[in-house]
Amino acid sequence: KAGVTQTPRYLIKTRGQQVTLSCSPISGHRSVSWYQQTPGQGLQFLFEYFSETQRNKGNFPGRFSGRQFSNSRSEMNVSTLELGDSALYLCASSLSLENEQFFGPGTRLTVL
Amino acid sequence: GENVEQHPSTLSVQEGDSAVIKCTYSDSASNYFPWYKQELGKRPQLIIDIRSNVGEKKDQRIAVTLNKTAKHFSLHITETQPEDSAVYFCAASGSDYKLSFGAGTTVTVRA
Repeated sequence: KAGVTQTPRYLIKTRGQQVTLSCSPISGHRSVSWYQQTPGQGLQFLFEYFSETQRNKGNFPGRFSGRQFSNSRSEMNVSTLELGDSALYLCASSLSLENEQFFGPGTRLTVL
Repeated sequence: GENVEQHPSTLSVQEGDSAVIKCTYSDSASNYFPWYKQELGKRPQLIIDIRSNVGEKKDQRIAVTLNKTAKHFSLHITETQPEDSAVYFCAASGSDYKLSFGAGTTVTVRA
C-alpha cells in the first residue's frame, strides 16, 4: 500500500505571497490532519478533515485554510505569508482519529 | 480543548539504562494515547499506543502505562540502544476530532 505523499517537498516563498500544499492519504483513509512543526514547538494542530468536512481547527489565523476532496486528497492554503510561517508542514491520514495516524514526509516551507 | 504536557524536554541516558517519559492530559474524555518517534529529518512514526480501557501495554523493550484517574500516561524504554536516540511525542485524542501532541522529548543514548 502506498504511503502518505505530500507535494511539493520544498517551497521557498516571499512575504505576502500565498501557497498551496497537497496531501494524498493512504488509500481508504478518510481522515486527514495537518500539523505545523517548528523547532521546539512540537506538532501544532492546524485542522482535520473527514469525508470533505472540517471537523476541527487549531488556533491558527484565518490565513490558514484547507479543504478535502471526494477522493480524500487534501490541500492547505496559506495566504499573505509571514516570516513566522516558515516551518515543516506535515499531513497525516488515518481510518479515524482513534487509529494510527500515518504521516507524510512533509513540505518544508521557507518564507523570505 | 485537550492540553497535553510532556516531561522532560530532554533526556540523556547511558546505553543499556532505562528511559521514562511522562505526559499529562486535561480532557477526561480522551480515550486514545499514541506515542510517536521522530528521527532526525524523518517523519513521525507510531511506536506504541494505548486505549483508555487498558492500563498497560508492552511491545518488546517499549511499554506504556495509563492512569485515567490521574490523567497521565508514560512511556518506558528498557535496555536503551543508540538507535533509540530520537524525539518522542505523546498525544491524546478525545471527542473533538483532534490529536493533541505534547511538545516532545529529545532522547540521547550515550554509548
